[in-house]
Amino acid sequence: GQQVMQIPQYQHVQEGEDFTTYCNSSTTLSNIQWYKQRPGGHPVFLIQLVKSGEVKKQKRLTFQFGEAKKNSSLHITATQTTDVGTYFCAGQDTGTASKLTFGTGTRLQVTL
Amino acid sequence: ETGVTQTPRHLVMGMTNKKSLKCEQHLGHNAMYWYKQSAKKPLELMFVYSLEERVENNSVPSRFSPECPNSSHLFLHLHTLQPEDSALYLCASSQTFFGVSGNTIYFGEGSWLTVV
Repeated sequence: GQQVMQIPQYQHVQEGEDFTTYCNSSTTLSNIQWYKQRPGGHPVFLIQLVKSGEVKKQKRLTFQFGEAKKNSSLHITATQTTDVGTYFCAGQDTGTASKLTFGTGTRLQVTL
Repeated sequence: ETGVTQTPRHLVMGMTNKKSLKCEQHLGHNAMYWYKQSAKKPLELMFVYSLEERVENNSVPSRFSPECPNSSHLFLHLHTLQPEDSALYLCASSQTFFGVSGNTIYFGEGSWLTVV
C-alpha cells in the first residue's frame, strides 16, 4: 500500500534559524496536505497543494509540491517558539475512493 | 473550537471494562473518521463513515466497535482492550468521504485512552 515518509523525525533549532521537513510518497499523489499538531493538541489543517511544482506561502511558511507529485516540503524561515509542534504531510492517492495517508511526522523544537 | 467535539477527553479503563468514546461534529459534514495516534507512529486510520455507512475498516481488532447513528455523531465502543491500545483517539470529519479529491480533514481534540 501507499507509504508516506517524512524526514527528519525530529529537529531542534534555535529561534531565528530556518527549518525544513521533507515528505516522500511511494506513489504519485493527486494532492498533498499539511497539518500541524501542537504539543498536547490535535492536527490542524495548514494547506493543500494540487498542481505539479506548486509553491504556496503562508507568512514564514513555504510549501512546495514536487514536479512528479511524489514529494513535498515545508520550509519555515526564521523559526519562532510558536512554531513548535509536529508537522504532518498527508498524501491522497490518485484514483477514485483514494485514501488520505498521513506521513510519519516531523517534530520541531525551537529554543531561545 | 474545532467544530468537532470529543468526549471524554481522558479515559482510564481496565482490560475488562466496556466504555465508549463519543464524537459530534457541528460542521454539516457527511464523512466521519476514527484515527489512532500512538507514540512514534503515524496517524492510523481505523474507520471511515460516509453518510452513516461504514466505507472503510482498516483491519481493526473487533474489540473496537464503531457506531454512526447519524451524520453528526460517531461512537467508538471499547471492550476488553489491551494495554497496547493506550493512545490518543482522534475523531475527524470532512465535507465528503476523502475519496473525493481535495477534502480536508477537521480533527477533534482527541480522547486520551489509558488501558490498565
